[in-house]
Amino acid sequence: GQNIDQPTEMTATEGAIVQINCTYQTSGFNGLFWYQQHAAEAPTFLSYNVLDGLEEKGRFSSFLSRSKGYSYLLLKELQMKDSASYLCAVRDIRYSTLTFGKGTMLLVSP
Amino acid sequence: KAGVTQTPRYLIKTRGQQVTLSCSPISGHRSVSWYQQTPGQGLQFLFEYFSETQRNKGNFPGRFSGRQFSNSRSEMNVSTLELGDSALYLCASSLYGQGETGELFFGEGSRLTVL
Repeated sequence: GQNIDQPTEMTATEGAIVQINCTYQTSGFNGLFWYQQHAAEAPTFLSYNVLDGLEEKGRFSSFLSRSKGYSYLLLKELQMKDSASYLCAVRDIRYSTLTFGKGTMLLVSP
Repeated sequence: KAGVTQTPRYLIKTRGQQVTLSCSPISGHRSVSWYQQTPGQGLQFLFEYFSETQRNKGNFPGRFSGRQFSNSRSEMNVSTLELGDSALYLCASSLYGQGETGELFFGEGSRLTVL
Protein backbone atom coordinates (compact mmCIF):
# COMPACT_ATOMS: atom_id res chain seq x y z
CA GLY A 1 0.00 0.00 0.00
CA GLN A 2 0.95 3.62 0.23
CA ASN A 3 1.83 5.69 3.25
CA ILE A 4 1.53 9.47 3.20
CA ASP A 5 2.46 11.59 6.20
CA GLN A 6 1.91 15.27 6.79
CA PRO A 7 1.58 17.31 9.99
CA THR A 8 -1.91 17.51 11.43
CA GLU A 9 -1.90 21.20 12.25
CA MET A 10 0.23 24.28 11.72
CA THR A 11 -0.13 27.89 12.75
CA ALA A 12 1.42 30.96 11.18
CA THR A 13 1.08 34.72 11.15
CA GLU A 14 -0.31 36.87 8.40
CA GLY A 15 2.45 37.99 6.03
CA ALA A 16 4.79 35.18 7.04
CA ILE A 17 6.04 32.15 5.09
CA VAL A 18 5.02 28.60 5.97
CA GLN A 19 6.24 25.25 4.67
CA ILE A 20 3.99 22.20 4.83
CA ASN A 21 5.86 18.92 4.46
CA CYS A 22 4.66 15.65 3.03
CA THR A 23 6.50 12.33 3.00
CA TYR A 24 5.34 9.30 1.12
CA GLN A 25 6.21 5.69 0.47
CA THR A 26 5.23 4.10 -2.78
CA SER A 27 7.00 1.89 -5.29
CA GLY A 28 5.20 3.14 -8.36
CA PHE A 29 5.36 6.91 -7.95
CA ASN A 30 3.74 8.81 -10.78
CA GLY A 31 3.06 12.30 -9.49
CA LEU A 32 2.37 14.29 -6.36
CA PHE A 33 -0.45 16.80 -5.95
CA TRP A 34 -1.42 19.45 -3.46
CA TYR A 35 -5.03 20.45 -2.87
CA GLN A 36 -6.51 23.15 -0.69
CA GLN A 37 -9.77 22.64 1.16
CA HIS A 38 -11.53 25.40 3.06
CA ALA A 39 -13.99 24.40 5.73
CA ALA A 40 -17.24 23.07 4.27
CA GLU A 41 -15.95 23.51 0.73
CA ALA A 42 -14.65 21.27 -2.05
CA PRO A 43 -10.92 20.57 -2.34
CA THR A 44 -9.32 22.60 -5.11
CA PHE A 45 -6.17 21.79 -7.07
CA LEU A 46 -3.05 23.77 -6.19
CA SER A 47 -0.04 22.10 -7.78
CA TYR A 48 1.40 19.04 -9.45
CA ASN A 49 4.98 17.70 -9.37
CA VAL A 50 6.22 14.66 -11.23
CA LEU A 51 9.90 15.60 -11.64
CA ASP A 52 12.31 16.70 -8.93
CA GLY A 53 12.48 20.38 -8.25
CA LEU A 54 10.45 23.43 -7.47
CA GLU A 55 7.25 24.49 -9.19
CA GLU A 56 6.24 28.07 -8.52
CA LYS A 57 2.78 29.49 -8.98
CA GLY A 58 2.29 32.93 -7.51
CA ARG A 59 2.49 32.88 -3.73
CA PHE A 60 2.49 29.08 -3.71
CA SER A 61 5.41 26.80 -4.58
CA SER A 62 5.73 23.04 -4.41
CA PHE A 63 8.92 21.02 -4.22
CA LEU A 64 9.54 17.35 -4.90
CA SER A 65 12.41 14.99 -4.18
CA ARG A 66 11.57 11.53 -5.52
CA SER A 67 14.67 9.90 -4.07
CA LYS A 68 13.70 11.07 -0.59
CA GLY A 69 9.96 10.52 -0.99
CA TYR A 70 9.45 14.10 0.10
CA SER A 71 7.52 17.14 -0.96
CA TYR A 72 6.67 20.47 0.54
CA LEU A 73 4.20 23.23 -0.18
CA LEU A 74 5.53 26.73 0.46
CA LEU A 75 3.09 29.54 1.05
CA LYS A 76 4.47 33.08 1.00
CA GLU A 77 2.95 36.36 2.16
CA LEU A 78 0.30 34.51 4.09
CA GLN A 79 -3.20 35.90 4.09
CA MET A 80 -6.08 35.13 6.40
CA LYS A 81 -7.87 33.39 3.53
CA ASP A 82 -5.05 30.84 3.39
CA SER A 83 -6.46 29.27 6.56
CA ALA A 84 -7.52 25.88 5.23
CA SER A 85 -6.62 22.22 5.10
CA TYR A 86 -3.83 21.32 2.67
CA LEU A 87 -3.95 17.82 1.23
CA CYS A 88 -0.98 16.00 -0.21
CA ALA A 89 -1.89 13.26 -2.72
CA VAL A 90 0.26 10.70 -4.52
CA ARG A 91 -0.53 8.89 -7.74
CA ASP A 92 0.79 5.38 -8.01
CA ILE A 93 1.09 4.00 -11.51
CA ARG A 94 0.02 0.56 -10.30
CA TYR A 95 -3.34 1.75 -9.05
CA SER A 96 -3.97 4.75 -11.31
CA THR A 97 -5.72 6.55 -8.48
CA LEU A 98 -4.81 9.34 -6.13
CA THR A 99 -4.12 8.47 -2.51
CA PHE A 100 -4.51 11.39 -0.14
CA GLY A 101 -2.79 12.17 3.12
CA LYS A 102 -4.97 13.16 6.04
CA GLY A 103 -4.31 16.83 5.45
CA THR A 104 -2.63 19.66 7.33
CA MET A 105 -4.90 22.24 8.92
CA LEU A 106 -3.23 25.64 8.62
CA LEU A 107 -4.43 28.48 10.80
CA VAL A 108 -3.28 31.97 9.86
CA SER A 109 -3.61 34.53 12.62
CA PRO A 110 -3.42 38.34 12.41
CA LYS B 1 -18.68 26.23 -17.06
CA ALA B 2 -20.66 24.58 -14.33
CA GLY B 3 -18.72 22.66 -11.72
CA VAL B 4 -19.33 19.26 -10.20
CA THR B 5 -22.77 19.03 -8.65
CA GLN B 6 -23.62 16.66 -5.84
CA THR B 7 -27.04 15.97 -4.39
CA PRO B 8 -28.27 15.90 -1.76
CA ARG B 9 -25.90 18.15 0.18
CA TYR B 10 -27.04 16.93 3.58
CA LEU B 11 -28.97 13.91 4.71
CA ILE B 12 -29.73 12.01 7.87
CA LYS B 13 -30.42 8.29 7.92
CA THR B 14 -30.76 5.61 10.56
CA ARG B 15 -28.80 2.40 10.90
CA GLY B 16 -29.88 -0.30 8.51
CA GLN B 17 -31.27 2.07 5.89
CA GLN B 18 -29.75 2.63 2.50
CA VAL B 19 -28.78 5.82 0.74
CA THR B 20 -28.15 6.91 -2.83
CA LEU B 21 -25.97 9.90 -3.65
CA SER B 22 -25.77 11.58 -7.02
CA CYS B 23 -22.97 13.35 -8.86
CA SER B 24 -23.05 15.31 -12.11
CA PRO B 25 -19.53 15.88 -13.44
CA ILE B 26 -18.26 18.85 -15.39
CA SER B 27 -19.62 18.76 -18.92
CA GLY B 28 -17.32 16.71 -21.12
CA HIS B 29 -15.61 14.90 -18.25
CA ARG B 30 -15.85 11.14 -18.55
CA SER B 31 -14.28 10.07 -15.27
CA VAL B 32 -16.01 10.23 -11.91
CA SER B 33 -14.33 9.23 -8.67
CA TRP B 34 -15.87 8.93 -5.24
CA TYR B 35 -14.11 9.56 -1.93
CA GLN B 36 -15.18 9.28 1.69
CA GLN B 37 -13.83 11.99 3.99
CA THR B 38 -13.80 11.66 7.77
CA PRO B 39 -11.80 13.59 10.38
CA GLY B 40 -9.90 10.50 11.45
CA GLN B 41 -9.10 8.91 8.10
CA GLY B 42 -9.03 11.82 5.71
CA LEU B 43 -9.96 11.25 2.07
CA GLN B 44 -10.32 7.58 1.22
CA PHE B 45 -10.88 6.35 -2.30
CA LEU B 46 -14.09 4.45 -2.95
CA PHE B 47 -14.22 3.86 -6.71
CA GLU B 48 -13.67 5.41 -10.11
CA TYR B 49 -15.92 5.15 -13.14
CA PHE B 50 -14.99 5.92 -16.71
CA SER B 51 -17.40 5.62 -19.61
CA GLU B 52 -19.87 3.62 -17.49
CA THR B 53 -17.23 1.10 -16.38
CA GLN B 54 -15.73 0.78 -12.93
CA ARG B 55 -11.98 1.17 -13.40
CA ASN B 56 -10.75 1.08 -9.84
CA LYS B 57 -12.13 0.22 -6.45
CA GLY B 58 -10.87 1.04 -2.97
CA ASN B 59 -10.94 -1.10 0.15
CA PHE B 60 -14.54 -0.68 1.15
CA PRO B 61 -17.08 -3.43 1.85
CA GLY B 62 -19.57 -4.54 -0.74
CA ARG B 63 -22.25 -2.39 0.89
CA PHE B 64 -20.72 0.46 -1.06
CA SER B 65 -21.54 0.38 -4.75
CA GLY B 66 -21.78 2.76 -7.63
CA ARG B 67 -22.61 3.17 -11.25
CA GLN B 68 -22.22 5.63 -14.07
CA PHE B 69 -24.73 6.48 -16.73
CA SER B 70 -24.20 7.21 -20.39
CA ASN B 71 -24.30 10.96 -19.71
CA SER B 72 -21.41 10.48 -17.22
CA ARG B 73 -23.58 11.21 -14.21
CA SER B 74 -22.80 8.85 -11.37
CA GLU B 75 -24.54 7.49 -8.33
CA MET B 76 -23.20 5.71 -5.30
CA ASN B 77 -25.24 3.59 -2.97
CA VAL B 78 -24.59 2.49 0.57
CA SER B 79 -26.79 -0.28 1.90
CA THR B 80 -27.37 -1.39 5.48
CA LEU B 81 -25.97 1.83 6.88
CA GLU B 82 -23.72 1.76 9.94
CA LEU B 83 -22.84 4.55 12.33
CA GLY B 84 -19.32 4.57 10.93
CA ASP B 85 -20.62 5.49 7.49
CA SER B 86 -21.25 9.02 8.73
CA ALA B 87 -18.95 11.10 6.55
CA LEU B 88 -18.63 13.62 3.79
CA TYR B 89 -18.86 11.85 0.43
CA LEU B 90 -16.99 13.70 -2.28
CA CYS B 91 -17.31 13.21 -5.98
CA ALA B 92 -14.57 14.32 -8.34
CA SER B 93 -14.54 14.47 -12.11
CA SER B 94 -11.70 14.59 -14.57
CA LEU B 95 -11.43 14.66 -18.31
CA TYR B 96 -9.67 11.37 -18.93
CA GLY B 97 -9.33 9.65 -15.59
CA GLN B 98 -6.99 9.48 -12.64
CA GLY B 99 -4.44 7.45 -14.51
CA GLU B 100 -3.93 10.05 -17.19
CA THR B 101 -4.17 13.29 -15.30
CA GLY B 102 -4.34 13.83 -11.62
CA GLU B 103 -6.24 17.05 -11.63
CA LEU B 104 -9.53 16.24 -10.04
CA PHE B 105 -12.39 18.70 -9.82
CA PHE B 106 -14.35 18.09 -6.65
CA GLY B 107 -17.94 18.74 -5.80
CA GLU B 108 -18.87 20.18 -2.42
CA GLY B 109 -19.92 16.80 -1.16
CA SER B 110 -22.87 15.07 0.41
CA ARG B 111 -22.72 15.03 4.19
CA LEU B 112 -24.29 11.86 5.52
CA THR B 113 -25.19 11.42 9.17
CA VAL B 114 -26.22 7.98 10.35
CA LEU B 115 -28.10 7.83 13.65
